[in-house]
Amino acid sequence: DQQVKQNSPSLSVQEGRISILNCDYTNSMFDYFLWYKKYPAEGPTFLISISSIKDKNEDGRFTVFLNKSAKHLSLHIVPSQPGDSAVYFCAAEDTNAGKSTFGDGTTLTVKP
Amino acid sequence: GAGVSQSPRYKVAKRGQDVALRCDPISGHVSLFWYQQALGQGPEFLTYFQNEAQLDKSGLPSDRFFAERPEGSVSTLKIQRTQQEDSAVYLCASSLGLAAAYNEQFFGPGTRLTVL
Repeated sequence: DQQVKQNSPSLSVQEGRISILNCDYTNSMFDYFLWYKKYPAEGPTFLISISSIKDKNEDGRFTVFLNKSAKHLSLHIVPSQPGDSAVYFCAAEDTNAGKSTFGDGTTLTVKP
Repeated sequence: GAGVSQSPRYKVAKRGQDVALRCDPISGHVSLFWYQQALGQGPEFLTYFQNEAQLDKSGLPSDRFFAERPEGSVSTLKIQRTQQEDSAVYLCASSLGLAAAYNEQFFGPGTRLTVL
C-alpha cells in the first residue's frame, strides 16, 4: 500500500505560467515533507521542504503548501521556466524513524 | 570530489550472477543511505549506515542483498544470485545525519542494473 502518492504522472505547462504538482499521503506519523527534482541520468536533488507545523513555505519561485487535515501537499512553481522541466518527487518523513518515503514522481514539461 | 559518486554507472548481469555496486559519499558525511528505484517509480529505502554501523536494513528485499561500510566511508551494496526483478537504478545518498528534516541528503547519479 503506497503511503505517498503522486497521482499525475506528467504535467505540461507553458513557460511563464504556474505549475502545480500534487502529492497525497496516508501515514499520520509523517511530520516532514520534501520535494526533490531529478534530471535524467542524475540523482534527485533537494528542492524545498515543509514541517508539519507549517502550512506554507516559500523559496523564490517555489512554494509548498501543506493541508494536514486532507493529508495533501502541493508544489507551486511561478513563473515556470523551461529549465524546470524534470521529474519531481514528493517525499514524506517520520523524523523519529528518519526514513523518507517517496512518491512515484511527476514529469513536468515546461514549453517555451 | 564535490558530490556523491557511484560506480559502475551501468551494469548488465546474467541471471544468477553476483554484483557489487560502490558508493563514495561526500567526505565527512556520517550517514549513508541506499535506495532502489524501479522503472517508473520513486526511490525505495533499502538500508542506512551511520559511520560503519548498519542501523537499519529493513528495506532490503531478500537475504540476497547485503550492504557494508567497513571504514565508515565507501559503501558497497552486493546482490547475490541476481534475478530479473532486481533490475532497477540503485541510488546512494549521504548526509551529515539521519533525518532528512535536519540533514539534507545528497544523492549520487545511481547505478542502473539490468539483469538478463
